[in-house]
Amino acid sequence: DAKTTQPNSMESNEEEPVHLPCNHSTISGTDYIHWYRQLPSQGPEYVIHGLTSNVNNRMASLAIAEDRKSSTLILHRATLRDAAVYYCILRDDGFGNEKLTFGTGTRLTIIP
Amino acid sequence: GAGVSQSPSNKVTEKGKDVELRCDPISGHTALYWYRQSLGQGLEFLIYFQGNSAPDKSGLPSDRFSAERTGGSVSTLTIQRTQQEDSAVYLCASSLVYGQRYGYTFGSGTRLTVV
Repeated sequence: DAKTTQPNSMESNEEEPVHLPCNHSTISGTDYIHWYRQLPSQGPEYVIHGLTSNVNNRMASLAIAEDRKSSTLILHRATLRDAAVYYCILRDDGFGNEKLTFGTGTRLTIIP
Repeated sequence: GAGVSQSPSNKVTEKGKDVELRCDPISGHTALYWYRQSLGQGLEFLIYFQGNSAPDKSGLPSDRFSAERTGGSVSTLTIQRTQQEDSAVYLCASSLVYGQRYGYTFGSGTRLTVV
């Protein structure tokens, strides 16, 4: 899988928007951008994914740069429950490449 | 069920014993994955199933580890002659279909402690 780069940690105030960046300069045309998060003592949780266009769901928004070499996960109004490790992962759409390879992610701390 | 179910949630075993970890994926999900996460570490891929077959076993750390899936549903991860370094949280995930366009749903994991 192509490599992603994320900051090790970020802090944000409660009830404010959070922008979590991810760089993926070696992304290929068939790579989907996936985001997962892992709350303390829980398994990872799917957040959102996209290919080229920006995506919105009930949890977050995903903004993808026009050249697709970076993306940003946006939490519109952070709550204490959003404190987690956030993983940005590239997934090749081709068959035979099933492994989800988790990096170290960004540990998000929410300040009350 | 509504989510991926794993059992037991916690398992303490003596070094040298065999253990079996069970995963019940979401009904209808054809793809199933096993990962493990050691304390304070990232997630390590172990194996995945498409239906009952396992095209990729490359992540299994040794021949003491094996997994099977029956009926395209329940999967069992077996660790023989457990060692202390096997202590970790073992996570199972399932996905609707084969391919990268769909998100994975993870279970809460089985915390294995080898004493």
